[in-house]
Amino acid sequence: GESVGLHLPTLSVQEGDNSIINCAYSNSASDYFIWYKQESGKGPQFIIDIRSNMDKRQGQRVTVLLNKTVKHLSLQIAATQPGDSAVYFCAENLPYSGAGSYQLTFGKGTKLSVIP
Amino acid sequence: NAGVTQTPKFQVLKTGQSMTLQCAQDMNHNSMYWYRQDPGMGLRLIYYSASEGTTDKGEVPNGYNVSRLNKREFSLRLESAAPSQTSVYFCASSDNGWNQPQHFGDGTRLSIL
Repeated sequence: GESVGLHLPTLSVQEGDNSIINCAYSNSASDYFIWYKQESGKGPQFIIDIRSNMDKRQGQRVTVLLNKTVKHLSLQIAATQPGDSAVYFCAENLPYSGAGSYQLTFGKGTKLSVIP
Repeated sequence: NAGVTQTPKFQVLKTGQSMTLQCAQDMNHNSMYWYRQDPGMGLRLIYYSASEGTTDKGEVPNGYNVSRLNKREFSLRLESAAPSQTSVYFCASSDNGWNQPQHFGDGTRLSIL
């Protein structure tokens, strides 16, 4: 899940296993969600997104599930590989503010460590 | 395809010095953003620009100024750096409209002594 303190929650998985990373978002009116992957020393990298009118979306080895009832988002990574080791965080798209840009609110992240 | 390019990658300043962080994108995006990332705080929006010629404050704008020089470039300026501004700064860009992800550069690591 998402961190509320100085230390990120860590998920350790064995190479080849599936990983599930969770995120609780804050605004029930948010209508678009994104998962990012951030490797050490790099910027956040877009993984997959989902609109609020969907419950599930699949990409290559990744699946995002959205439960609007409990404001919960999860990222599933199939057959986790060492290259998947990174910090993962979700972002929610706030309702349009009228200022021309859609602003994102980011979670604090979960660190995924893959054990070879 | 370079995407979003930030310069410099690292910088050390003394308190009171000024500095401009540069950002350029080659994806023809209308919107650009500046964030700072601190341990335990996540990404926080400093300023954004919905289009060339417009800029707006984000969550933490104090101590910063921005310039949207043209469609490609969006710079962030620290006029009088303070130790509290020690952070990693990320620039991002996106197309306008709903359901458009933001794409990030690799950041500038800034230390204020």
